[in-house]
Amino acid sequence: NAGVTQTPKFQVLKTGQSMTLQCAQDMNHEYMSWYRQDPGMGLRLIHYSVGAGITDQGEVPNGYNVSRSTTEDFPLRLLSAAPSQTSVYFCASSYTGAPNEQFFGPGTRLTVL
Amino acid sequence: AQSVTQPDIHITVSEGASLELRCNYSYGATPYLFWYVQSPGQGLQLLLKYFSGDTLVQGIKGFEAEFKRSQSSFNLRKPSVHWSDAAEYFCAVGASGGYNKLIFGAGTRLAVHP
Repeated sequence: NAGVTQTPKFQVLKTGQSMTLQCAQDMNHEYMSWYRQDPGMGLRLIHYSVGAGITDQGEVPNGYNVSRSTTEDFPLRLLSAAPSQTSVYFCASSYTGAPNEQFFGPGTRLTVL
Repeated sequence: AQSVTQPDIHITVSEGASLELRCNYSYGATPYLFWYVQSPGQGLQLLLKYFSGDTLVQGIKGFEAEFKRSQSSFNLRKPSVHWSDAAEYFCAVGASGGYNKLIFGAGTRLAVHP
């Protein structure tokens, strides 16, 4: 049982490049989400999904796309990276319904030059 | 709108001393409250949670937290801090919408002196 895994662990991009951050979980959780962590701001919700084929925006969705084709995977796409997207990105998963414990991945540190 | 305030950005305590980390929330209904800990370079780990019932909740690693509705607070405590407790601590509230969305505070970084 690997829990929530994220790849890559580190990434450096140039402004305008695109990339996909990968997230996978093996706990059969319906709910998955992406957060970004910036100094002094805690974690902010980017996008979330309540099941395969269902996604919605969080607090800071601009510049990011997501899709959920399977229960296990929830990739986050940056279509045209900007320096403001330099951050640490965390994926999390949980069962749906009443707020349950969310399990977090180890994070991806992204730098956009 | 829901929000979480952690008034202390940094706290330093001596090993063996007691600890209290403050958390205040803004939420219209009965909140779902969480404390997470993040060790350097790691993801977040749940310490404890409050949904309903007993307002004093026990968590892992010897931590506890008390929900005080009148003060809109959910402070985290530990009677005797260990050097391994040095980390960043986040308070979070479950947002409305029913799907586990969390609103996080800015975090409190704890340093422990030997």
